[in-house]
Amino acid sequence: AQTVTQSQPEMSVQEAETVTLSCTYDTSESDYYLFWYKQPPSRQMILVIRQEAYKQQNATENRFSVNFQKAAKSFSLKISDSQLGDAAMYFCAYRSPPYNNNDMRFGAGTRLTVKP
Amino acid sequence: DSGVTQTPKHLITATGQRVTLRCSPRSGDLSVYWYQQSLDQGLQFLIQYYNGEERAKGNILERFSAQQFPDLHSELNLSSLELGDSALYFCASSATGANVLTFGAGSRLTVL
Repeated sequence: AQTVTQSQPEMSVQEAETVTLSCTYDTSESDYYLFWYKQPPSRQMILVIRQEAYKQQNATENRFSVNFQKAAKSFSLKISDSQLGDAAMYFCAYRSPPYNNNDMRFGAGTRLTVKP
Repeated sequence: DSGVTQTPKHLITATGQRVTLRCSPRSGDLSVYWYQQSLDQGLQFLIQYYNGEERAKGNILERFSAQQFPDLHSELNLSSLELGDSALYFCASSATGANVLTFGAGSRLTVL
């Protein structure tokens, strides 16, 4: 099974600064999808950003962007102009293609603290 | 509201008991996924259904079982409960061809 590794259990950033969360994954598949989900204290899982493996262009959603390195199997999340509301657990996730289970596996998470 | 409904929101029970968690996917979504999140842990994939059939199985204990019904709602049955089963159980759904999972708010199970 595919594995997802988040090597930073905790990260801290000053408000208005930029922070990068790391994620690596292991797979033999060529088609797949990658995601970052945010889990605030409410525990709701909220989609932050998605990336299709066949797309070379890095995904961007407002202040959130990714650095997708397919050969290195790396998928980092950059949060620019950090806000207090960005404080949460962030989970990196890998989803297999529809022709192969199509299940989604998560990393262990990174807890982000935003300092005012 | 994500459109994925999970009931109950909270459940407290004793060791050895059996509980059923229910999930109604978003309208039109055929795929349902179950995850377990223990305290301060990541999400562990349990099982996936597509249109009533089991599609993939993760680290689901033999004491746990699930099914997806013809109306597409799903139930996760947890039996012979142990203290370590205390966790937040998430259901998520996905439309055919969509690559995103939409999560419910979770069911928090406490086993005393």
